[in-house]
Amino acid sequence: EPEVTQTPSHQVTQMGQEVILRCVPISNHLYFYWYRQILGQKVEFLVSFYNNEISEKSEIFDDQFSVERPDGSNFTLKIRSTKLEDSAMYFCASNIVSSGELFFGEGSRLTVL
Amino acid sequence: TQLLEQSPQFLSIQEGENLTVYCNSSSVFSSLQWYRQEPGEGPVLLVTVVTGGEVKKLKRLTFQFGDARKDSSLHITAAQPGDTGLYLCAGAEDSNYQLIWGAGTKLIIKP
Repeated sequence: EPEVTQTPSHQVTQMGQEVILRCVPISNHLYFYWYRQILGQKVEFLVSFYNNEISEKSEIFDDQFSVERPDGSNFTLKIRSTKLEDSAMYFCASNIVSSGELFFGEGSRLTVL
Repeated sequence: TQLLEQSPQFLSIQEGENLTVYCNSSSVFSSLQWYRQEPGEGPVLLVTVVTGGEVKKLKRLTFQFGDARKDSSLHITAAQPGDTGLYLCAGAEDSNYQLIWGAGTKLIIKP
């Protein structure tokens, strides 16, 4: 069964360092998303991506964040200068239509020290 | 701002009991999805309800979409320890790419 895959599963970084989280969405999906979930809290939307551009982003997705689809299969989230409060589980998701079932990856846990 | 209020936030009950989780909004959704998330994993879709008044059953789980498509409920009959997890509802708007998420109901079923 096709699935969304994410790497790394866990990354520990120092405050101020750049981090890139990688995702491979399901191959025939057209819409891609990043969500984050701080431990014990709700799932928070960060950004959606369609047709090689950002379609929507939340207030959390400030200038420190960027997304890219560099090669037609990978979908990356970059955090330029990490802060302590960026520590969270980051989930990539994709779907065929924007209001349809979301398929989530297993998440990348980011710990900022 | 669209909001989806989920209640209760936390529920711990004994195996065999019944329970209901609610998802409410003041706004109308074109569809509503229920996900279950286990610790350390991403949410997994349980069901999508689309039509006002719709009822869907998934074994011991019964999902209902309100007539006005503003609210939904999840009822679990004879809960099992395997039902333990975080239950999330997410509403879709026609005009919006992003789903609107509830905060989740953390459910613990004790053997």
